[in-house]
Amino acid sequence: DSGVTQTPKHLITATGQRVTLRCSPRSGDLSVYWYQQSLDQGLQFLIQYYNGEERAKGNILERFSAQQFPDLHSELNLSSLELGDSALYFCASSWGQGGDQPQHFGDGTRLSIL
Amino acid sequence: QQQVKQSPQSLIVQKGGISIINCAYENTAFDYFPWYQQFPGKGPALLIAIRPDVSEKKEGRFTISFNKSAKQFSLHIMDSQPGDSATYFCAARGQGGSEKLVFGKGTKLTVNP
Repeated sequence: DSGVTQTPKHLITATGQRVTLRCSPRSGDLSVYWYQQSLDQGLQFLIQYYNGEERAKGNILERFSAQQFPDLHSELNLSSLELGDSALYFCASSWGQGGDQPQHFGDGTRLSIL
Repeated sequence: QQQVKQSPQSLIVQKGGISIINCAYENTAFDYFPWYQQFPGKGPALLIAIRPDVSEKKEGRFTISFNKSAKQFSLHIMDSQPGDSATYFCAARGQGGSEKLVFGKGTKLTVNP
């Protein structure tokens, strides 16, 4: 058990809809990362937050947004969903920034767009 | 643009054999190279990691070999066991405050009993 909790585990919705994925980092971790895993693209970094502030952005679509709350949990919002958004979405956390601090991954949310 | 290239895509090894997975990168700004292990239905879990100033790091049956001049690194699993059957990802992290990980596409390892 990595200590990172993601909910829900599975999400099935339709095109055009909006969903929110939730992540609770390990106790004491200040950084939260979101990754998307698909068969063709593999694991792709989306966005990182550190102690409530956006830290780095990757290949995140404009239809997607995220935030980290004062209690350090994070939410990834996906809107105007398309079939191609079907993927596994992982959240990871680490204590701080830089150094050899490992990123600990949750078990992901599987998003299926019908 | 794939910044970390991983091979092979799949690997079948007999129990007790050595599993070798290779990765190559292009960006010399990468300063940290972790390997992750992922079982079906689970998230990636950190296995072992290395910095480019070290040529080899060993933890139990798992060894990373790093060749900075060739910009290549590899994972060796000695005495492979059926429980090692999983997908393995190499990754690289940029320096200068960028903590995002760039992953290889993964290698599905099957260890036959």
